[in-house]
Amino acid sequence: ETGVTQTPRHLVMGMTNKKSLKCEQHLGHNAMYWYKQSAKKPLELMFVYSLEERVENNSVPSRFSPECPNSSHLFLHLHTLQPEDSALYLCASSQLLAGGPNGLGGELFFGEGSRLTVL
Amino acid sequence: GENVEQHPSTLSVQEGDSAVIKCTYSDSASNYFPWYKQELGKGPQLIIDIRSNVGEKKDQRIAVTLNKTAKHFSLHITETQPEDSAVYFCAAPTSYDKVIFGPGTSLSVIP
Repeated sequence: ETGVTQTPRHLVMGMTNKKSLKCEQHLGHNAMYWYKQSAKKPLELMFVYSLEERVENNSVPSRFSPECPNSSHLFLHLHTLQPEDSALYLCASSQLLAGGPNGLGGELFFGEGSRLTVL
Repeated sequence: GENVEQHPSTLSVQEGDSAVIKCTYSDSASNYFPWYKQELGKGPQLIIDIRSNVGEKKDQRIAVTLNKTAKHFSLHITETQPEDSAVYFCAAPTSYDKVIFGPGTSLSVIP
């Protein structure tokens, strides 16, 4: 399997549930990201990991908890979410950090997303 | 804070016509400008990018132009085809470990 794989593709959960989103990249990249995509809003960066260390937490509520056990896997643990958290959650990876003061730039490879509905 | 604006939000063209989407950014330190295409039910995919040391880059029917002084860059699609219908996002990295995306342009190519 190649590219960036996200599971599950669809998830429906109640506000009191605990669930997790999983992302796996088979590209040998060193950086991984979680983005939130809501209707009529820009892609919102949530978390950035570089070499398994979190380098960015973009003011995300604590009900979202990321985990990066190794450079190939990224999780987003969900707990006591709100209906407004319903969105498409996209995972991405890149060879090097895509932002930063050195302006490395570089292509982001996205997964197909996990569509989350919070009831 | 850093910001990327994108216009228009929706664009409808006849097959064979050209489409132009424009983005402006605020962080003068940005030096890499990608364009992503997102088809229905899929994640965004890079279609073309440009670095600040060049003013234009072409790849078949797609081109990107950059004006660093004015802080804007544009996507040009010529001879549009129905399969070009998608949402297009521009993006710019910032001084911090972020890539900021524009709000997207929904392009419809009418056969």
